[in-house]
Amino acid sequence: AQTVTQSQPEMSVQEAETVTLSCTYDTSESDYYLFWYKQPPSRQMILVIRQEAYKQQNATENRFSVNFQKAAKSFSLKISDSQLGDAAMYFCAYSRGNNRKLIWGLGTSLAVNP
Amino acid sequence: DTAVSQTPKYLVTQMGNDKSIKCEQNLGHDTMYWYKQDSKKFLKIMFSYNNKELIINETVPNRFSPKSPDKAHLNLHINSLELGDSAVYFCASSPGQGRHEQYFGPGTRLTVT
Repeated sequence: AQTVTQSQPEMSVQEAETVTLSCTYDTSESDYYLFWYKQPPSRQMILVIRQEAYKQQNATENRFSVNFQKAAKSFSLKISDSQLGDAAMYFCAYSRGNNRKLIWGLGTSLAVNP
Repeated sequence: DTAVSQTPKYLVTQMGNDKSIKCEQNLGHDTMYWYKQDSKKFLKIMFSYNNKELIINETVPNRFSPKSPDKAHLNLHINSLELGDSAVYFCASSPGQGRHEQYFGPGTRLTVT
């Protein structure tokens, strides 16, 4: 069965600095999708970034980028120039198959210090 | 324009009552989902419908019944509410056609007293 592990329950970063959130997953499949979602205190689940496993190039969305290491089954999220609004719970998720079921990690709570 | 909407956003009710949560998406997506998020923020898939057909039915008490009148709507009805049903319930939709990302509604915080 596929699993997603986020080994850092809590992290903190200074405003304007860079932070990396870790995610590892377990799968025997070669074709799948990976995501990072953000959940601020407002509780809205927001898609931050996505990565297709068949793509070698790491995805980037503005200040957010990933380091996708397929062989190591690692999918870390880097947040550059951290802002106060980045404070949130971040979830890593994995998906494959026709039903597109998301398998979720337990989340990392990120605090941004002014 | 609201992409995925849920009503109500807050729901407080007593044990034993029956309640419904409604979800609508105007994104033209073919698949919709219900998730439960517990107090520790763990997200658990409950159900999924693709074009009105049930495709995911996880281990959920049969007091929970989803209904999809069309592919833009997915409602969740809960009978005989229990204290343990208190949680945030999220609706989500996914575009299909090779795309796996899901877009979430604002969530419904259900409190059972």
